[in-house]
Amino acid sequence: AQKITQTQPGMFVQEKEAVTLDCTYDTSDQSYGLFWYKQPSSGEMIFLIYQGSYDEQNATEGRYSLNFQKARKSANLVISASQLGDSAMYFCAPDTGRRALTFGSGTRLQVQP
Amino acid sequence: SAVISQKPSRDICQRGTSLTIQCQVDSQVTMMFWYRQQPGQSLTLIATANQGSEATYESGFVIDKFPISRPNLTFSTLTVSNMSPEDSSIYLCSVAVDSSYEQYFGPGTRLTVT
Repeated sequence: AQKITQTQPGMFVQEKEAVTLDCTYDTSDQSYGLFWYKQPSSGEMIFLIYQGSYDEQNATEGRYSLNFQKARKSANLVISASQLGDSAMYFCAPDTGRRALTFGSGTRLQVQP
Repeated sequence: SAVISQKPSRDICQRGTSLTIQCQVDSQVTMMFWYRQQPGQSLTLIATANQGSEATYESGFVIDKFPISRPNLTFSTLTVSNMSPEDSSIYLCSVAVDSSYEQYFGPGTRLTVT
């Protein structure tokens, strides 16, 4: 079974600063993708960013970027210039090809003014 | 992208009753999934629902408790049967876009069982 580890149950960041959310995963598959989702208090799951295991460049989407280290099996999410609306739960999840996702335990991010 | 709607958005139900949750997507997709998120927990996959075949359930979830229908490529239902307070959760459907890595979630159904 896959194991996904998000070691930070909670994080605080000041508005306008950058924050890094950790994610490590355990898979023997060579080909996989790694998703990050945001879940605000409303409960919806919002897709943020995706990294394919064969992508040579770290993925970026606006203020979101991934620090992908394949050898270490880590894909940390970096949020730049934090905003109050970034306060939410953040989940990482690998996709090893079956398309169904196994989620980490999540990190609750709180952005402080 | 895919736009997904779920009905109902929330409900309060009595123990012993059943609730059917609907998931509608605005484009045809082969793979749909149902997840459960218990209070304060992460998401757990209940089952994979592919059109034209029986749903595939994950360990710990059974068809008698969570029957699923997938009548076409844009629609699925999940029924939570004989509910108990332990079934109080957010239930989310998601889709995997064909020929793409993209996966999107519906807004969720927040269920409370009293």
